[in-house]
Amino acid sequence: DTAVSQTPKYLVTQMGNDKSIKCEQNLGHDTMYWYKQDSKKFLKIMFSYNNKELIINETVPNRFSPKSPDKAHLNLHINSLELGDSAVYFCASSQSTGANSPLHFGNGTRLTVT
Amino acid sequence: SQQGEEDPQALSIQEGENATMNCSYKTSINNLQWYRQNSGRGLVHLILIRSNEREKHSGRLRVTLDTSKKSSSLLITASRAADTASYFCATLNTGFQKLVFGTGTRLLVSP
Repeated sequence: DTAVSQTPKYLVTQMGNDKSIKCEQNLGHDTMYWYKQDSKKFLKIMFSYNNKELIINETVPNRFSPKSPDKAHLNLHINSLELGDSAVYFCASSQSTGANSPLHFGNGTRLTVT
Repeated sequence: SQQGEEDPQALSIQEGENATMNCSYKTSINNLQWYRQNSGRGLVHLILIRSNEREKHSGRLRVTLDTSKKSSSLLITASRAADTASYFCATLNTGFQKLVFGTGTRLLVSP
């Protein structure tokens, strides 16, 4: 049973293109996240949604737009892709925004922009 | 900005030995969590220690927290080759706003 699943696993595209990454969780969690992991393995939060409402929006270019159609899904759309967007993007979920809710991660989407 | 820094960046040991990883952070926290990441996979939650706790155990894992020094350590006893992974600490600040991850320690356990 896949708890947090994201598609695609690999995404190779050219600069200037628009692409989307999809994420779904079947854990019944209220909160979902997008994290970006760079080539040095540094993991940084991008967005967080709680019950479809945006609660965290880090300093992320406007080219990145998350969308949560329901609390089980959080998709990430990226416009006008740049070389620096190459990274692994992780979706995660937690039961709530409460302090004792650990994160459950998907297996990541490796985005390569050429 | 980055919250946690881990030490060492990389650790190589033999099966059966113990592995100790350290994490330092900068601001007041509500809790500190440790995660493991196998190559090509997502992070997996290992253990959570609250700011009012000093030590916690889970199987072969032992975590300590010293809030006066703003540091934590993760000890893996009797390591196995399957423990080979990157280990990250993450801190939740007192505002509960977001979980901030450290730089990670790459652990290699050789048979």
